[in-house]
Amino acid sequence: AQKVTQAQTEISVVEKEDVTLDCVYETRDTTYYLFWYKQPPSGELVFLIRRNSFDEQNEISGRYSWNFQKSTSSFNFTITASQVVDSAVYFCALSEAYNNAGNMLTFGGGTRLMVKP
Amino acid sequence: DSGVTQTPKHLITATGQRVTLRCSPRSGDLSVYWYQQSLDQGLQFLIHYYNGEERAKGNILERFSAQQFPDLHSELNLSSLELGDSALYFCASSVVPGTNTEAFFGQGTRLTVV
Repeated sequence: AQKVTQAQTEISVVEKEDVTLDCVYETRDTTYYLFWYKQPPSGELVFLIRRNSFDEQNEISGRYSWNFQKSTSSFNFTITASQVVDSAVYFCALSEAYNNAGNMLTFGGGTRLMVKP
Repeated sequence: DSGVTQTPKHLITATGQRVTLRCSPRSGDLSVYWYQQSLDQGLQFLIHYYNGEERAKGNILERFSAQQFPDLHSELNLSSLELGDSALYFCASSVVPGTNTEAFFGQGTRLTVV
């Protein structure tokens, strides 16, 4: 069975600090997809990134970057120069490929990030 | 705006009652997924429909059921409600069932059972 662990339940930083959110996953499949979603206080789930298991290149999008390491089954998310608007709950999720359930996502417990001015 | 519409946004009802949550997927998306977010269980997959057919079930209670209609909108029916059913219910949609596409989530329906 697949499992996603986000060990950090809550992180508090001061604006402009860099912060890394950890995600560790378990799966028996060799082909799978990893996701990050953001849930701001308004409650919706906002898609941030999708990564497949064959692409271990790190990705950068503005202040966001992701580090995928298959050797440690981790898919960590770094926000550089954090801003108050980054305050949200962030979820890491895993989906195994080619199962009948398509995008059935297994979510981690989430990390609540609080960025203080 | 993800393009996925869920109604109502908020719902307050009493124990033992039945409610229906509605989801309109993004234009062109054939797959609809339902998820429940509760304090106890976190975000959990409930059920997946593709083009009107049930494709997979997750941790969905027998008191809960869903369907997807010919116009592709979906409804999640929750009956004999209990206090523990209070949660945020999300609908998501994607083009095809494959995992090579991200699912877009609606804003959720917050259900409060009193």
